[in-house]
Amino acid sequence: DAGVIQSPRHEVTEMGQEVTLRCKPISGHNSLFWYRQTMMRGLELLIYFNNNVPIDDSGMPEDRFSAKMPNASFSTLKIQPSEPRDSAVYFCASSLADTYEQYFGPGTRLTVT
Amino acid sequence: SQQGEEDPQALSIQEGENATMNCSYKTSINNLQWYRQNSGRGLVHLILIRSNEREKHSGRLRVTLDTSKKSSSLLITASRAADTASYFCAWSGSARQLTFGSGTQLTVLP
Repeated sequence: DAGVIQSPRHEVTEMGQEVTLRCKPISGHNSLFWYRQTMMRGLELLIYFNNNVPIDDSGMPEDRFSAKMPNASFSTLKIQPSEPRDSAVYFCASSLADTYEQYFGPGTRLTVT
Repeated sequence: SQQGEEDPQALSIQEGENATMNCSYKTSINNLQWYRQNSGRGLVHLILIRSNEREKHSGRLRVTLDTSKKSSSLLITASRAADTASYFCAWSGSARQLTFGSGTQLTVLP
């Protein structure tokens, strides 16, 4: 099993630029979660999908953030335009529909200057 | 923002000693889980305890849950240097989203 795959692992960009983070969940998992981790706020759920459909996006900070899941094996989290306060580690996690245990990817460390 | 706390925030022990971490939450839950995060890595699931369970064991891990006090504890027995990591509790209610605690940074000294 390859586990949850995220890319890129590190991203450095300038304020105002568009950033796209990518995630490939574990094959067969039909729930996908995007989290953000910062020292100040800890781990926060941004959005989660079930069978490719967004179920809860109440954690998405503002309209600059958007997430899509066009198919069962791929999801993106986009920030446009990016701001320095978006600097954080972004994690993707996946799980099976009938379980609560989540499997996390290695994360993308985003730095916005 | 988090809806619970973990304590201590940081814990430093000698190899072979036991480590206990505590978690408090504020809502009704379906289950509570513990995760480990090594520096610079993603989280790894350790153990899940359901709301109708009071204690669960897995290897050197022992988890307790007291729903009347909305609290849980994680005990790691006979700790090893490789146990050095951050430990997070996380809980979910009827929905499947997880809410994470603030984490405990455990350092096990060889």
